[in-house]
Amino acid sequence: AQKVTQAQTEISVVEKEDVTLDCVYETRDTTYYLFWYKQPPSGELVFLIRRNSFDEQNEISGRYSWNFQKSTSSFNFTITASQVVDSAVYFCALSGTLNAGNNRKLIWGLGTSLAVNP
Amino acid sequence: ETGVTQSPTHLIKTRGQQVTLRCSSQSGHNTVSWYQQALGQGPQFIFQYYREEENGRGNFPPRFSGLQFPNYSSELNVNALELDDSALYLCASSLGGESSTSHLLAKNIQYFGAGTRLSVL
Repeated sequence: AQKVTQAQTEISVVEKEDVTLDCVYETRDTTYYLFWYKQPPSGELVFLIRRNSFDEQNEISGRYSWNFQKSTSSFNFTITASQVVDSAVYFCALSGTLNAGNNRKLIWGLGTSLAVNP
Repeated sequence: ETGVTQSPTHLIKTRGQQVTLRCSSQSGHNTVSWYQQALGQGPQFIFQYYREEENGRGNFPPRFSGLQFPNYSSELNVNALELDDSALYLCASSLGGESSTSHLLAKNIQYFGAGTRLSVL
C-alpha cells in the first residue's frame, strides 16, 4: 500500500525560528516521486518541490531545504528563519502507480499547519 | 499563477441535486486530475483524464463522473449530492506523454487551481 504520514498536525513558531516539517512515506514502487505543496488560506495548492526516488541529493532553495533519505523513507522540509508569510498548511505527497502517458495520481498526507507568529 | 482556472469558486446545493464543476488546464498540458479535500484533510484523488480518456480512478462512487474536452479542459459532475460531498474540489493540470526519460523531468508535476468550494445543505 502507498501511504504518506505527516505526524505533526500543527506547529507554532516565532518569526526567525527554523522549523522542520516531517514526512514519512510507504511505497513498493522502485521509481516514484515525492512532492511538497503549500496551501495558504486562499486554498490553492502551490507546488514547492519534486524529488525523484533515484536522486537522494538534498536541495536548497533560498530559505527552504529538503532532506530526502531513502533508508528511513523520509522527505523532510526545513524552513530557515521563518517569516509570517510562511504561515500555511504544508502537504507532502507521493506519486501513485504509473498510468498511461507516464501520469500518476498523488497520494497525500494530512498536512501540517504552520503558524509563524511575529 | 499556475494558469489553471476553476469555476465557480463557491457553490451551494441541496441534497439530491446535481452539480458540474469546470477546470481549464494550463497551456500545453494534456492531463487533468481532480481531487476532493474535506475540511482539515489532505486531498483525495477522484480521477484523472489524459487525452480525453479516464486514466485512473480513486475510491469514489459512479455518481462522480468527468469529461475532458479536445482543448484539455475538464468537467467534474456529481449526481445525487449528499451532505458528505461538501468539500473543496481541486483540479490539477500536468503534462503527460510517452517519451524518453529526459522528458519526464517536466512531467508528473501537477499544478493546481484555486478550487471550488461546494456546500451541500
